[in-house]
Amino acid sequence: AQSVTQPDIHITVSEGASLELRCNYSYGATPYLFWYVQSPGQGLQLLLKYFSGDTLVQGIKGFEAEFKRSQSSFNLRKPSVHWSDAAEYFCAVGGTGNQFYFGTGTSLTVIP
Amino acid sequence: GAGVSQTPSNKVTEKGKYVELRCDPISGHTALYWYRQSLGQGPEFLIYFQGTGAADDSGLPNDRFFAVRPEGSVSTLKIQRTERGDSAVYLCASSLSARETQYFGPGTRLLVL
Repeated sequence: AQSVTQPDIHITVSEGASLELRCNYSYGATPYLFWYVQSPGQGLQLLLKYFSGDTLVQGIKGFEAEFKRSQSSFNLRKPSVHWSDAAEYFCAVGGTGNQFYFGTGTSLTVIP
Repeated sequence: GAGVSQTPSNKVTEKGKYVELRCDPISGHTALYWYRQSLGQGPEFLIYFQGTGAADDSGLPNDRFFAVRPEGSVSTLKIQRTERGDSAVYLCASSLSARETQYFGPGTRLLVL
């Protein structure tokens, strides 16, 4: 069965510091992988996606993620965090079915 | 262009009542999805439409939940005999076709008292 694990429930970083949010998935074939961000009162916004090809994908707002098949991971990174990045981040996997499977999310706090 | 819209943004109802939640997808998107997000959780799949038909309703928790998309555009999620456990944010998403990027609406926050 498909599933997504986001091991970190909550992360706090200083503004300007680098960020890495972890995502591990369970899926038998090559998955479709996504990162979404959700700000309070807002809908889910797509940050980036991986379907195939280059395993390092670039997204909006300076985010990137790397697909590592051997580790079943799709970690999200940003070299320098801004205060406006504080939000809830969700990793999702889509496969042969039509639905996405979401992780439980990582809440990011950015301190000045 | 316009994104996915959902109405109402908030809905408060009493246990046992019937509610309808509406989703207006991005124009031209044939695939439409409903998810439910409980506090502190990620979205959980409820149902998927391809055109007018429900292609996958495996996520609906029980027969109190039903959804329609009669003309292949707007969709309505219907919940009968609401229970307090139904309280959650109900999210709608649409995509150009199946297995494409899903674009989400802002959600309807349902509170059952």
